[in-house]
Amino acid sequence: TQLLEQSPQFLSIQEGENLTVYCNSSSVFSSLQWYRQEPGEGPVLLVTVVTGGEVKKLKRLTFQFGDARKDSSLHITAAQPGDTGLYLCAGAFNSGAGSYQLTFGKGTKLSVIP
Amino acid sequence: DADVTQTPRNRITKTGKRIMLECSQTKGHDRMYWYRQDPGLGLRLIYYSFDVKDINKGEISDGYSVSRQAQAKFSLSLESAIPNQTALYFCATTPTGLNNEQFFGPGTRLTVL
Repeated sequence: TQLLEQSPQFLSIQEGENLTVYCNSSSVFSSLQWYRQEPGEGPVLLVTVVTGGEVKKLKRLTFQFGDARKDSSLHITAAQPGDTGLYLCAGAFNSGAGSYQLTFGKGTKLSVIP
Repeated sequence: DADVTQTPRNRITKTGKRIMLECSQTKGHDRMYWYRQDPGLGLRLIYYSFDVKDINKGEISDGYSVSRQAQAKFSLSLESAIPNQTALYFCATTPTGLNNEQFFGPGTRLTVL
């Protein structure tokens, strides 16, 4: 079983502050994805990182994949109330016979207070 | 129109009842998945299907069954619902490929009394 430990579980910050969410594992993943989920909706893919050491930026969001492809981080600069939601990391691994599955972290519930 | 739809969106049922949750997609993806989401436990895989003739158990398949009626349709059944199956259920699709990037439906909130 591939496990992904995500931290923190809850985060409440003031508008304009910076924050980082972490996703760690002892397993190597072929890629790592970050999703954002709002109440009453399904998760929506934000980004996929594939190469060890890769950094991707999406406006105020910066995603990094660890060199060993076992961990990842999501950094938000100058958080806004619209960033409020549940952030999920998911690692893709080979489940055999050339097929890949995802294992999800338990999520970080972010609240940005105006 | 949404690419991945789920019906019903909400359902309240009683212990012992048979329940079917349905999922349809217009994305043309071969791979479809059923997950359940519980507070503090994240998303856990119930069943997945790589094509119409391929069905595979996920991490928590006990108490559930699935049917892949067509490329676009994947249904999840609870043969005899029990209270600890109360959860949010999500269907997802993914195109064939290494990254397994998933496209989720809006979810079904199921309550078993």
